[in-house]
Amino acid sequence: DTAVSQTPKYLVTQMGNDKSIKCEQNLGHDTMYWYKQDSKKFLKIMFSYNNKELIINETVPNRFSPKSPDKAHLNLHINSLELGDSAVYFCASSQRSGLAAASEQYFGPGTRLTVT
Amino acid sequence: KNEVEQSPQNLTAQEGEFITINCSYSVGISALHWLQQHPGGGIVSLFMLSSGKKKHGRLIATINIQEKHSSLHITASHPRDSAVYICAVLPFGNEKLTFGTGTRLTIIP
Repeated sequence: DTAVSQTPKYLVTQMGNDKSIKCEQNLGHDTMYWYKQDSKKFLKIMFSYNNKELIINETVPNRFSPKSPDKAHLNLHINSLELGDSAVYFCASSQRSGLAAASEQYFGPGTRLTVT
Repeated sequence: KNEVEQSPQNLTAQEGEFITINCSYSVGISALHWLQQHPGGGIVSLFMLSSGKKKHGRLIATINIQEKHSSLHITASHPRDSAVYICAVLPFGNEKLTFGTGTRLTIIP
């Protein structure tokens, strides 16, 4: 039983293309996240949704647009891909968010995006 | 300077050795996470703690809030423990995790 799943696992595409990465969690969690891990393995948050509502929107280009059709899904759409977008993108979920309610995060397997 | 610093950056040890990885942070936090990233790339949450100490199998995590410092210990280390260990903090008044740069651990049989 996969708790947090992402598709595709690998994505190779050319500059200028538009692509989407899908994420689903079957844990019944309220909050989902997108993280980017660069070539130096440094993780950084991009977005967070709580019950389909955007709560964290880091300084990322507006070519990146998250979409949450329901609280079990958080997809990431990227327009006009650039070389610098090459990275591993991780989806994660947690039971709840909130200032005092830190909770354990469960990560998906990652999507390795390569832009050529 | 990153808000979360880990040391060492790289650690190689013999099987069976006791391992300590350190994490220091510069802000007040509501929680600290230890994560493990396998060579294959997957990330697993090991611990989340806001005070004291937690133990799971051969892994122990401690935190000293006053000193803004946490340690992850591995007893009787094994080659399968080889991974990158990442510390992440949740600052007060903030819903975003801030990550350290990770410690690459290699256990030699």
